[in-house]
Amino acid sequence: AQRVTQPEKLLSVFKGAPVELKCNYSYSGSPELFWYVQYSRQRLQLLLRHISRESIKGFTADLNKGETSFHLKKPFAQEEDSAMYYCALKTTPGAQKLVFGQGTRLTINP
Amino acid sequence: DTEVTQTPKHLVMGMTNKKSLKCEQHMGHRAMYWYKQKAKKPPELMFVYSYEKLSINESVPSRFSPECPNSSLLNLHLHALQPEDSALYLCASSQDPGYNEQFFGPGTRLTVL
Repeated sequence: AQRVTQPEKLLSVFKGAPVELKCNYSYSGSPELFWYVQYSRQRLQLLLRHISRESIKGFTADLNKGETSFHLKKPFAQEEDSAMYYCALKTTPGAQKLVFGQGTRLTINP
Repeated sequence: DTEVTQTPKHLVMGMTNKKSLKCEQHMGHRAMYWYKQKAKKPPELMFVYSYEKLSINESVPSRFSPECPNSSLLNLHLHALQPEDSALYLCASSQDPGYNEQFFGPGTRLTVL
């Protein structure tokens, strides 16, 4: 069965420091991976998806099929990056079901 | 209008009550979703509507009854709920079924007494 694992429930870094939020998945096929973010008192929103290979708000994520990982990275954290981050998986292109990891709460300290 | 709206924001109901949650989008999206999110947990998919037809039911108890009256509207009818059903209920929509990006509403916070 498909599964998404985010090993860190909480992550705290200082402003200006690099950030890496870990995500590992379990799926034997070719998945589609996403990062969703939820800022305080805001709705859940898409941050980035692996197929577009884009950088949003300075964040990047590379799909590593060998390690079945899709870690989210940012070289210099900003206070406004504090939020809840969910890694999510779709099992096939066109699949309707999105499977979420447990989430990582990121806190950026001034 | 580029948002998914949900009403009510908060709902408190007894176990014998019947209530409904409403979700609306005017982005022309043809897929709509209901998720349940317990505190400090990720969203869990409940139902998917694709072109106004129910395409996925994740073995949700029959006390939850979804309805899609038209392409812009999604309802979740609630009857004889249990206290453990208390949660944040999120609605989402996407351009097509299976399209990458899902747009989420703010949720309805449901408390069952």
